[in-house]
Amino acid sequence: AQKVTQAQTEISVVEKEDVTLDCVYETRDTTYYLFWYKQPPSGELVFLIRRNSFDEQNEISGRYSWNFQKSTSSFNFTITASQVVDSAVYFCALSEGYSTLTFGKGTMLLVSP
Amino acid sequence: NAGVTQTPKFQVLKTGQSMTLQCAQDMNHEYMSWYRQDPGMGLRLIHYSVGAGITDQGEVPNGYNVSRSTTEDFPLRLLSAAPSQTSVYFCASSYSEQSNTEAFFGQGTRLTVV
Repeated sequence: AQKVTQAQTEISVVEKEDVTLDCVYETRDTTYYLFWYKQPPSGELVFLIRRNSFDEQNEISGRYSWNFQKSTSSFNFTITASQVVDSAVYFCALSEGYSTLTFGKGTMLLVSP
Repeated sequence: NAGVTQTPKFQVLKTGQSMTLQCAQDMNHEYMSWYRQDPGMGLRLIHYSVGAGITDQGEVPNGYNVSRSTTEDFPLRLLSAAPSQTSVYFCASSYSEQSNTEAFFGQGTRLTVV
């Protein structure tokens, strides 16, 4: 069965610091997809990125970047120059089929001014 | 477009009561699912549907029933609510069976069972 582990329960940083959120996954499938979602204090789930198992290229989107390494089964998320508005719970998730997701337990990021 | 709409947003139930959480999407998505979110547990899959008339169980299906009579609606029923079902419930939909499609989530329903 698939599993997603986010070992960091809570991270606190000061604004403008860089922060990396770790995600390690387990799956027996060779084809799968990885996602990151953000859940701000308002509670909704915001889609951030999707990555398939055949594409190990890192991706950068503004202050966000993602490092996918199949060799270590990791899909880590880095926020550069963090801002207070980045404060949220971040979820890593894995999908193997039928568009259903297996989520990690989430990492709460607190960015203080 | 409204996207995925969940009603109600908040609900308090007494133990043993029944209720239905509503979920509707207007994107003509075939795939819909229900998750529950508990503190420190992330989101866990309750039930999902790959199309009208087809449903299947997820990781935590006990105590919940679903049906899918139309493409648009995917209600979640609690037949006899228990305090352990106190949670935030999210409905999601996506347009393809492919794992690479983004799931669109509703705003969530916060349910308290006393």
